[in-house]
Amino acid sequence: AQSVTQLDSHVSVSEGTPVLLRCNYSSSYSPSLFWYVQHPNKGLQLLLKYTSAATLVKGINGFEAEFKKSETSFHLTKPSAHMSDAAEYFCVVSGAGGTSYGKLTFGQGTILTVHP
Amino acid sequence: NAGVMQNPRHLVRRRGQEARLRCSPMKGHSHVYWYRQLPEEGLKFMVYLQKENIIDESGMPKERFSAEFPKEGPSILRIQQVVRGDSAAYFCASSPPEGYNEQFFGPGTRLTVL
Repeated sequence: AQSVTQLDSHVSVSEGTPVLLRCNYSSSYSPSLFWYVQHPNKGLQLLLKYTSAATLVKGINGFEAEFKKSETSFHLTKPSAHMSDAAEYFCVVSGAGGTSYGKLTFGQGTILTVHP
Repeated sequence: NAGVMQNPRHLVRRRGQEARLRCSPMKGHSHVYWYRQLPEEGLKFMVYLQKENIIDESGMPKERFSAEFPKEGPSILRIQQVVRGDSAAYFCASSPPEGYNEQFFGPGTRLTVL
């Protein structure tokens, strides 16, 4: 079985300050991990993915995430927030093999608000 | 290369009617997935299909819901006798055969049941 927990339902930052969105996962298999972003009334866009290569993953728009197996975490960071980063962010886990094959499990989402 | 296409984008149905949601995967993608986003809930997996095959339907409600991905044409998610609780955003995603765990999402269909 696999699951993912996003530790904050809402995060609020000022423009130009760092962003940290926290995610912990549980997976019976070697997981693939993703962060997706959803802007209001839009579809989901892939920000970055971890698939057992480098533990520090760089994504689009200046975001990056670090896979820490010992902490079962995959937190998303950005050094400097921009107004356009305001959106909902989903941490996602995908297993390999068994009943998890091809199935993404989503966290509950974190709404990021960016203040001027 | 066009992305995943879903239509209609918005669908309004009265209770008891049928809803048909269509999804055209990205070119070259043979795997399709359906997810549902209910108000105040996260995105939940419904079904995973390949051409003419249902691979995993563990997230599909037992009654009224069905999905297909025929050899030709789009994937269809069909909801019979809709109820108000079916009101949600339904997202389709697709992936190529060799990258099954990276999924590309469509814009979604927002179903409202009156």
